[in-house]
Amino acid sequence: QKEVEQDPGPLSVPEGAIVSLNCTYSNSAFQYFMWYRQYSRKGPELLMYTYSSGNKEDGRFTAQVDKSSKYISLFIRDSQPSDSATYLCAMSLDKIIFGKGTRLHILP
Amino acid sequence: DADVTQTPRNRITKTGKRIMLECSQTKGHDRMYWYRQDPGLGLRLIYYSFDVKDINKGEISDGYSVSRQAQAKFSLSLESAIPNQTALYFCATSDFKGFEQYFGPGTRLTVT
Repeated sequence: QKEVEQDPGPLSVPEGAIVSLNCTYSNSAFQYFMWYRQYSRKGPELLMYTYSSGNKEDGRFTAQVDKSSKYISLFIRDSQPSDSATYLCAMSLDKIIFGKGTRLHILP
Repeated sequence: DADVTQTPRNRITKTGKRIMLECSQTKGHDRMYWYRQDPGLGLRLIYYSFDVKDINKGEISDGYSVSRQAQAKFSLSLESAIPNQTALYFCATSDFKGFEQYFGPGTRLTVT
């Protein structure tokens, strides 16, 4: 079993829809859970992070961590074409383990 | 100016050639990383350095070497390039917490 599993997509949704992106993981020792966003031909950039379990909200973005299920989610409300990118989940111990990324297309 | 810069941005080289990719940062971070990104495989850690005198192998270090010339500079070398090293290479930096990493724009390397 891989440490971090993420569906690669692509995921296409209409503008204004709610987007749900998810990852599962196997190592219960992970403490920091992150979502990075990567636009085409750019390096990844940190979007949000959560320490341990719970929810965190930042504008249209909400990150959720369920440590009992080893499952993390990123929700995007009122999705915009500018949200079209690859979203990588990541988890941290002494170093970061990245998921493979989900390609998201928001259709105008 | 960008906080993390990489040179070159694109490079085409032949099998067996030695190539060096360079990374510089102005974040003042002690920690620096080299990753490669391949379609379907995601980001994989090649080497990382927690300070100038510290070098550690990552998940896929075979065929690569690194040099940490200064706090701000971390270079990646391919001693004898092979076609399966064709990939997008990213340098990143972080502070001591490690989970917030700042990535450079990437180097697209093609080995023919």
